[in-house]
Amino acid sequence: AQSVTQLDSQVPVFEEAPVELRCNYSSSVSVYLFWYVQYPNQGLQLLLKYLSGSTLVKGINGFEAEFNKSQTSFHLRKPSVHISDTAEYFCAVLRRTGGFKTIFGAGTRLFVKA
Amino acid sequence: DAGITQSPRHKVTETGTPVTLRCHQTENHRYMYWYRQDPGHGLRLIHYSYGVKDTDKGEVSDGYSVSRSKTEDFLLTLESATSSQTSVYFCAIGTGDYGYTFGSGTRLTVV
Repeated sequence: AQSVTQLDSQVPVFEEAPVELRCNYSSSVSVYLFWYVQYPNQGLQLLLKYLSGSTLVKGINGFEAEFNKSQTSFHLRKPSVHISDTAEYFCAVLRRTGGFKTIFGAGTRLFVKA
Repeated sequence: DAGITQSPRHKVTETGTPVTLRCHQTENHRYMYWYRQDPGHGLRLIHYSYGVKDTDKGEVSDGYSVSRSKTEDFLLTLESATSSQTSVYFCAIGTGDYGYTFGSGTRLTVV
């Protein structure tokens, strides 16, 4: 069975500092990988996705993520965060074949301090 | 917001009563999903639909049923609400490999 582990439940960081949100997954088959962002009292928005090709994926709002097959990781990074990046971030995985069921991690709450 | 509307946005109900949540989309998308969000668990799939009258169970389907009589509407019913079903419920549309578009959620409290 697939599982997604987000290694940090909360990440406090100062404005303009870099940040990395960690995500590991377990799957015996090839997968698609996603990061979603949820601002307070809103639904989730797709931040970026890895389907194939380059292992470095760029998304919206200056975020990027790197797929590492050998470590089964898909960590999210931003070189300089803003107050407006304060939100909850979810990593998600979907099997490449025969899957309708995207599995989400428990989420990482990013708190950007002035 | 990509044409997905959830109703109601908030609801308080008593234990043992039936509750129906509605998801309406204007994107004519074939695939629709119901998730619940709970602290420490992320989002967990309740049920999903791959067409009118075609639905299947997710990982936490016990106590829930769904119906899809029209492409645009996907209903989630709690047959007899329990306190463990207090949660935020999200509807989504999309094919998984392109990512989902989510509604704004329904906050359900069972007292």
